[in-house]
Amino acid sequence: EAGVAQSPRYKIIEKRQSVAFWCNPISGHATLYWYQQILGQGPKLLIQFQNNGVVDDSQLPKDRFSAERLKGVDSTLKIQPAKLEDSAVYLCASSLATGRLWETQYFGPGTRLLVL
Amino acid sequence: SQQGEEDPQALSIQEGENATMNCSYKTSINNLQWYRQNSGRGLVHLILIRSNEREKHSGRLRVTLDTSKKSSSLLITASRAADTASYFCATDPLSGANSKLTFGKGITLSVRP
Repeated sequence: EAGVAQSPRYKIIEKRQSVAFWCNPISGHATLYWYQQILGQGPKLLIQFQNNGVVDDSQLPKDRFSAERLKGVDSTLKIQPAKLEDSAVYLCASSLATGRLWETQYFGPGTRLLVL
Repeated sequence: SQQGEEDPQALSIQEGENATMNCSYKTSINNLQWYRQNSGRGLVHLILIRSNEREKHSGRLRVTLDTSKKSSSLLITASRAADTASYFCATDPLSGANSKLTFGKGITLSVRP
């Protein structure tokens, strides 16, 4: 089966610019996650969707980050305006059904963002 | 804050040797998972061990869990060059309505051919 797709793979922007990332989960997966992975650290959950509803966005910096999952399939994550500390890899993951934490999460290759 | 702390931070071994990586955590958990991340790639789920399990095997992987010590270990036997990657433990905390999978900082494993 096709895996989680993400684009772009790399993005370089200047601070205060905006950027958007796209994710297409595995077909049929109801739950979608966005993680931020700063160099040398593990991934940190930004937002979790169950179908097109938000389950958890407690760690999303809402003053600059936004995410949507229209129609419960694809998702976009936007940063506006970007800061230097947003430089990281943004990972999208999906899981099959309920989003319970014991379900296997399948990760995409990530988008590497560099903010100059 | 990141719940899991892996040890060591980096490990270099010869192909064919065993690699042991440790993870310690702070609060009670439902389960603990190990993930692998190859350079420039996403994470791949390796194995999940529940809080009522003590040991689990999957191919060349062996995971143990000691809830009294709040620690887990991942053993890779007969390592291969392809095992070179970063390994993360991730914990599913017991409490909290919005509990989330919390990853450690990872261990960098290098397997020399």
